Amino acid sequence: QKEVEQNSGPLSVPEGAIASLNCTYSDRGSQSFFWYRQYSGKSPELIMSIYSNGDKEDGRFTAQLNKASQYVSLLIRDSQPSDSATYLCAVNFNTNAGKSTFGDGTTLTVKP
Amino acid sequence: DVKVTQSSRYLVKRTGEKVFLECVQDMDHENMFWYRQDPGLGLRLIYFSYDVKMKEKGDIPEGYSVSREKKERFSLILESASTNQTSMYLCASTEVARLTGELFFGEGSRLTVL
Repeated sequence: QKEVEQNSGPLSVPEGAIASLNCTYSDRGSQSFFWYRQYSGKSPELIMSIYSNGDKEDGRFTAQLNKASQYVSLLIRDSQPSDSATYLCAVNFNTNAGKSTFGDGTTLTVKP
Repeated sequence: DVKVTQSSRYLVKRTGEKVFLECVQDMDHENMFWYRQDPGLGLRLIYFSYDVKMKEKGDIPEGYSVSREKKERFSLILESASTNQTSMYLCASTEVARLTGELFFGEGSRLTVL
């Protein structure tokens, strides 16, 4: 079993819809959780980080963390074609070290 | 602005050649990482370094070595390249003092081994 698993894609949503991306992790001691966005041919860039249970909102993005269920999700509201990318879930056991374990990624396509 | 620079965006090498991938960051970050990214396998950690001349193996260190002689520079070395090392290689760094764990990535080096 992989340490970090993401819902299998690809995921396609119409413009303006909510895109929901999910991620589960196996290590209960994990401390920090990240969502990176990666456009085709580009390197990953951080869009959200979350460290405690609950929701964290940043513009159209909301990250949700449930440590009891070992589950983290990313919601993208009012999806835009520019949101079309691969989204990588990453989990750190030790925040200071920055040593992240990544999921395989979910490819999102937002159709105009 | 944060900057992680990888020396080569695209490389084509032959089996058995020695390959150097260089990475430089200008943010005075303590920790630096080398990942490889393959379709269906995600990002996998090869090596990381938390200080000059210090290194630790990641999940897939076989066939690779690293060098960190200066804080800003972290090199990945393939002593004898093989076709199964054809991949996208991503360098990243993080600042320990920020306590965020956020990784800053370089643009990547796409290596093809023939």
